[in-house]
Amino acid sequence: GDSVTQMEGPVTLSEEAFLTINCTYTATGYPSLFWYVQYPGEGLQLLLKATKADDKGSNKGFEATYRKETTSFHLEKGSVQVSDSAVYFCALTNYGGSQGNLIFGKGTKLSVKP
Amino acid sequence: KAGVTQTPRYLIKTRGQQVTLSCSPISGHRSVSWYQQTPGQGLQFLFEYFSETQRNKGNFPGRFSGRQFSNSRSEMNVSTLELGDSALYLCASSLGRAGTEAFFGQGTRLTVV
Repeated sequence: GDSVTQMEGPVTLSEEAFLTINCTYTATGYPSLFWYVQYPGEGLQLLLKATKADDKGSNKGFEATYRKETTSFHLEKGSVQVSDSAVYFCALTNYGGSQGNLIFGKGTKLSVKP
Repeated sequence: KAGVTQTPRYLIKTRGQQVTLSCSPISGHRSVSWYQQTPGQGLQFLFEYFSETQRNKGNFPGRFSGRQFSNSRSEMNVSTLELGDSALYLCASSLGRAGTEAFFGQGTRLTVV
């Protein structure tokens, strides 16, 4: 079945450091890919998405490019802030396979120190 | 535009009891999905309702059930609660079209003692 694998955390960075969180997927057909963020005590918020190969999703300085050849959707940010501390989830939906429900990776906890 | 509203935010129940959680989706959204989040298993899909019909179901026992009303509000029910049902239950609403994003509520934290 479809699945998402993302790098294990936690990840600890200093403010203004470069962030990469790796995400790869396994899916039949043409899934849509997402990054969600969860702040402590909260639900999930959509951070960015991409619906076809080579699309780049971006929001709040975060970016991720849908790479079909490497089945990847890595999250990057050039300069992290303390306020970016949260858990990040990579996810996919695949109406051709899993009928549209979100399939999540395990999550990566990011801590940014001042 | 109001977001996804889940009630209650916190619940404490005893083993063997049953519980009902409620979710009001964003106005105009016809799809409501439920997810269970635990530290060990992460985020797992429970079921999805669209226009009052269950469209998709995850791999959970029959003790977990749900329904959707004509106004798109949804409820999920868990009967004969077990300690392992302690989790954050998240509801998500979407327009229901392929590739559209899901908007999540803040969740209901269920603790079974």
